Amino acid sequence: AQSVTQPDIHITVSEGASLELRCNYSYGATPYLFWYVQSPGQGLQLLLKYFSGDTLVQGIKGFEAEFKRSQSSFNLRKPSVHWSDAAEYFCAVGASGGYNKLIFGAGTRLAVHP
Amino acid sequence: KAGVTQTPRYLIKTRGQQVTLSCSPISGHRSVSWYQQTPGQGLQFLFEYFSETQRNKGNFPGRFSGRQFSNSRSEMNVSTLELGDSALYLCASSLSGQGIETQYFGPGTRLLVL
Repeated sequence: AQSVTQPDIHITVSEGASLELRCNYSYGATPYLFWYVQSPGQGLQLLLKYFSGDTLVQGIKGFEAEFKRSQSSFNLRKPSVHWSDAAEYFCAVGASGGYNKLIFGAGTRLAVHP
Repeated sequence: KAGVTQTPRYLIKTRGQQVTLSCSPISGHRSVSWYQQTPGQGLQFLFEYFSETQRNKGNFPGRFSGRQFSNSRSEMNVSTLELGDSALYLCASSLSGQGIETQYFGPGTRLLVL
């Protein structure tokens, strides 16, 4: 069965530090992968996606992610974190034959220290 | 272009009642999906509609139902509410409903069942 694992429930970084959020997926074919961000009391905002092609994808707000098939990973990175990046981050995979059904990881809550 | 809108934003109901939530997709989008978000279970897929037809359904009891209208607006209904139905209900829309597409989420409806 398809699944997404985000190993880190909480991460705290200092403002200006680099960030990497981990995501591992279980999927038989080439996956459709997404990263979304959710601020408190808000819906989900798409940061970036991978469907095919270049394995390094750029997103909004300075985020990027790299698809590594050999490691079944799609980690999210940002070189310098801003206080406004504090939020919860969700990795998701599109389910095969699923007509827009997304399977989400449990999320990683990011705190940013000034 | 206006984003996905959901009404109402907040709702308080008592056990045994029923509730209807509404979702208006981005103009021109024809696929609407619904998700339930709870602290314990995370983000879970409820169902997806395209051209007024439910194409996919998640693992939820029959108390959860939905429909889509000819203008692509969608409603979901939960009958005989239980305490465990307290959650943030998110609606997402995508353009053509062909395979896995980028989904854009609304702000959600927060339902509290007392």
